[in-house]
Amino acid sequence: AQTVTQSQPEMSVQEAETVTLSCTYDTSENNYYLFWYKQPPSRQMILVIRQEAYKQQNATENRFSVNFQKAAKSFSLKISDSQLGDTAMYFCASINAGGTSYGKLTFGQGTILTVHP
Amino acid sequence: DTGVSQDPRHKITKRGQNVTFRCDPISEHNRLYWYRQTLGQGPEFLTYFQNEAQLEKSRLLSDRFSAERPKGSFSTLEIQRTEQGDSAMYLCASSLGPTYNEQFFGPGTRLTVL
Repeated sequence: AQTVTQSQPEMSVQEAETVTLSCTYDTSENNYYLFWYKQPPSRQMILVIRQEAYKQQNATENRFSVNFQKAAKSFSLKISDSQLGDTAMYFCASINAGGTSYGKLTFGQGTILTVHP
Repeated sequence: DTGVSQDPRHKITKRGQNVTFRCDPISEHNRLYWYRQTLGQGPEFLTYFQNEAQLEKSRLLSDRFSAERPKGSFSTLEIQRTEQGDSAMYLCASSLGPTYNEQFFGPGTRLTVL
């Protein structure tokens, strides 16, 4: 079974600054994917960034990047130049790519990020 | 708008009543998922369809819950004899291709059982 843990219930950051959200996971699989999803207040969840476990290079999407430490089973999200629109609940999630997982996402508990002007 | 839609957005019911939710996925997506999210928590997987076949059900899905996806298009999730513990946000997501592809989420149906 997979587990995903986010140990920071809430974080805050000033606009234009950088913030890092933490995530650890556990899986017995070799072939898996990791995701960060964003859920703005009263709006639907959207994908922020995705990392393939077999790739050593950290994924980057504009102001969002990850620090993927496979041996430590750590997958943190760095948001640079924070904007007011980044205020949301952020979820770390994993998928087993093989076997009978069928692509079900396993989510962490979430981190509420507030960006202050 | 060609995103995932869910109906209704909010549902208030009395304990013991039956409720049914609908999800319309992105039209070409063959995979459809249902998740349940309680306040302040991450979503938990409930069930999964590939086309019209229901391939996996979570142990969270008691026998009071049933889901269908006729003809591999929209899906319904029915809860019979609702209990207060069923109060949650019910999220639908769809995807296309490999299982690790992005899942697109709907806005959810918020259920309140009085």
